Amino acid sequence: EPEVTQTPSHQVTQMGQEVILRCVPISNHLYFYWYRQILGQKVEFLVSFYNNEISEKSEIFDDQFSVERPDGSNFTLKIRSTKLEDSAMYFCATGSGFRAFFGQGTRLTVV
Amino acid sequence: EDQVTQSPEALRLQEGESSSLNCSYTVSGLRGLFWYRQDPGKGPEFLFTLYSAGEEKEKERLKATLTKKESFLHITAPKPEDSATYLCAVLTLGGNSGGSNYKLTFGKGTLLTVNP
Repeated sequence: EPEVTQTPSHQVTQMGQEVILRCVPISNHLYFYWYRQILGQKVEFLVSFYNNEISEKSEIFDDQFSVERPDGSNFTLKIRSTKLEDSAMYFCATGSGFRAFFGQGTRLTVV
Repeated sequence: EDQVTQSPEALRLQEGESSSLNCSYTVSGLRGLFWYRQDPGKGPEFLFTLYSAGEEKEKERLKATLTKKESFLHITAPKPEDSATYLCAVLTLGGNSGGSNYKLTFGKGTLLTVNP
C-alpha cells in the first residue's frame, strides 16, 4: 500500500538554527498538509498546500515557517531560527479529495 | 472556530468488554469526519471517513457512526492490540473562493487501554 515517507525520523538542532523537514507524498495526491504534535498534546494543523501554493494556514504558521515543493515531488517544511517550543513531532499528510494519509513523522528536538 | 471534543480522555477495558468512544463537533462546512488510530511515537493511521449523518463504516472490531452533531466509534470485543489513542478529525473547507483549502481539525483523542 502506498505510504507517505518523512525524513529524517529524528532531528536534533540547536536553538536558532534552521531545519528542513522532508516529505515524499503518495503519488497522484494533490493536497499536502503539515501538522504538529507537541508531546502529550493534540495534533495541530499548520498549513495546507495545493496547486503549488498555500491554501490555508493556522496562527501557528507564522513567518518562521515556510513550505515548498522544490522538485515537484518532495514537500518540505522549513523552520527558521528554531526555538525550544518548536520541539514536537511534525507530520506530513497527503490526500486526494477527502482522504488524508499521514507519514510516520519527524521528531524535532531543539536544544 | 471549529471545535472537536472527544470523550472520554482515557478508557480502560478488559479484553472482550465492548464500549464506545465519542466525538462531538461544532464546525461550519463539514466535508467529512475522520477516525484515526495513533500508536505511541507514530503517525495517525487512517481508519474511516464518514461523510453524512446516518452513515456507518465497519472494520474488524470497529464500527463508526455519524450524526449531525457527533460520531461514535464502537469497539466490539476488543483485544489488547486495539490499545492506542483514537483520534477524531473533521474536514472542513476554508473561506477562500478557490475551494481548495481543506483542513483537518483534530480532537485531543481517547487513550484506549485493553487489558488481557
